[in-house]
Amino acid sequence: GQNIDQPTEMTATEGAIVQINCTYQTSGFNGLFWYQQHAGEAPTFLSYNVLDGLEEKGRFSSFLSRSKGYSYLLLKELQMKDSASYLCAVGGSQGNLIFGKGTKLSVKP
Amino acid sequence: EAGVTQFPSHSVIEKGQTVTLRCDPISGHDNLYWYRRVMGKEIKFLLHFVKESKQDESGMPNNRFLAERTGGTYSTLKVQPAELEDSGVYFCASSHLYEQFFGPGTRLTVL
Repeated sequence: GQNIDQPTEMTATEGAIVQINCTYQTSGFNGLFWYQQHAGEAPTFLSYNVLDGLEEKGRFSSFLSRSKGYSYLLLKELQMKDSASYLCAVGGSQGNLIFGKGTKLSVKP
Repeated sequence: EAGVTQFPSHSVIEKGQTVTLRCDPISGHDNLYWYRRVMGKEIKFLLHFVKESKQDESGMPNNRFLAERTGGTYSTLKVQPAELEDSGVYFCASSHLYEQFFGPGTRLTVL
């Protein structure tokens, strides 16, 4: 079966660093994706990891360990606008995305 | 460049009625995907078009759902007849390579 786990909710303070973890067990693997979704809006692409290691893109970084079925999204210098849901997704063998339920991040002043 | 657009943004229908959702992908994107999010659950894959051909429709719940992509441009997803459990947000996404660009979704409520 397909299983992607991530925390339901997290809270962090403006200016701080937060790490959102994701573990997965899927029958196929074509990369690990992170999307950001503000309430009522479209999910927007943040990162894509297909090889093990850390990918850095500005304030956001994403890490992948394929042997452990584990990824994390690291957000630095948190801003209020970073309050959103963060979706972990595995690329399936047919090109589709298999999503976790998402982590709702609240950034407090 | 225009993003993925979906119409309507909201639809409220009664059980047994028919609804057709439309998705206009980003121009030039051969891949078009439909997904659905039922309240409290994760976003789930429904089907994948490559141009006008159905590449994978393994996520379609049952034969009340019919998707088309005539001419390989926009796509429609018809639900006929709608049931209560079809309520949710229907997302469309398109891609050229691995990055999928999502539309804002259609919120469908079946009463």
